[in-house]
Amino acid sequence: EAQVTQNPRYLITVTGKKLTVTCSQNMNHEYMSWYRQDPGLGLRQIYYSMNVEVTDKGDVPEGYKVSRKEKRNFPLILESPSPNQTSLYFCASRVGTRRTDTQYFGPGTRLTVL
Amino acid sequence: AQSVTQLGSHVSVSEGALVLLRCNYSSSVPPYLFWYVQYPNQGLQLLLKYTSAATLVKGINGFEAEFKKSETSFHLTKPSAHMSDAAEYFCAVSGLGGGNKLTFGTGTQLKVEL
Repeated sequence: EAQVTQNPRYLITVTGKKLTVTCSQNMNHEYMSWYRQDPGLGLRQIYYSMNVEVTDKGDVPEGYKVSRKEKRNFPLILESPSPNQTSLYFCASRVGTRRTDTQYFGPGTRLTVL
Repeated sequence: AQSVTQLGSHVSVSEGALVLLRCNYSSSVPPYLFWYVQYPNQGLQLLLKYTSAATLVKGINGFEAEFKKSETSFHLTKPSAHMSDAAEYFCAVSGLGGGNKLTFGTGTQLKVEL
């Protein structure tokens, strides 16, 4: 089954404790992206990657890091999480960078930072 | 720059009634528009997309949307609501920057009542 997977689905952590949210897709997509969803704000892009070893900042990159060492994986790293990073996070992938390409989303990771 | 405005953060309809969810866009380039649905505790699923082939776009689950350039709108409709349609709906525009990222509206929560 073609899909985007994320782990963990739920995470409660404390301020300053480094964490990684994994994202993997099995569709051989070139483009991958991370979004955060907050009430009343919709989804905002954190980082994106157009191919292996090519990453760039989205609209709200502060406090986050990413890497793209393999085509299928795009982990999101919070080196020193803070309470304002409490949010619902989605990974997405797309076959390429055409504006008409459909983005496919993972199931989401709900993060709480105490 | 691109942006999307969804009027009405909450919409309530009776089962069997018409569903109308509003979306207006702003885009500096010819827009490509998407509607996604998010069921509770799930990721976003594509309902339909406009890619300039036809102004009336039919999607899954009986939904359709009409692109109206003169009104800069892309409203989502369904003739007869079903209880299973209760979800959050996001309109998005594909734009420049961020690898031709999706810019989302703030979402509309649809409630279907008996």
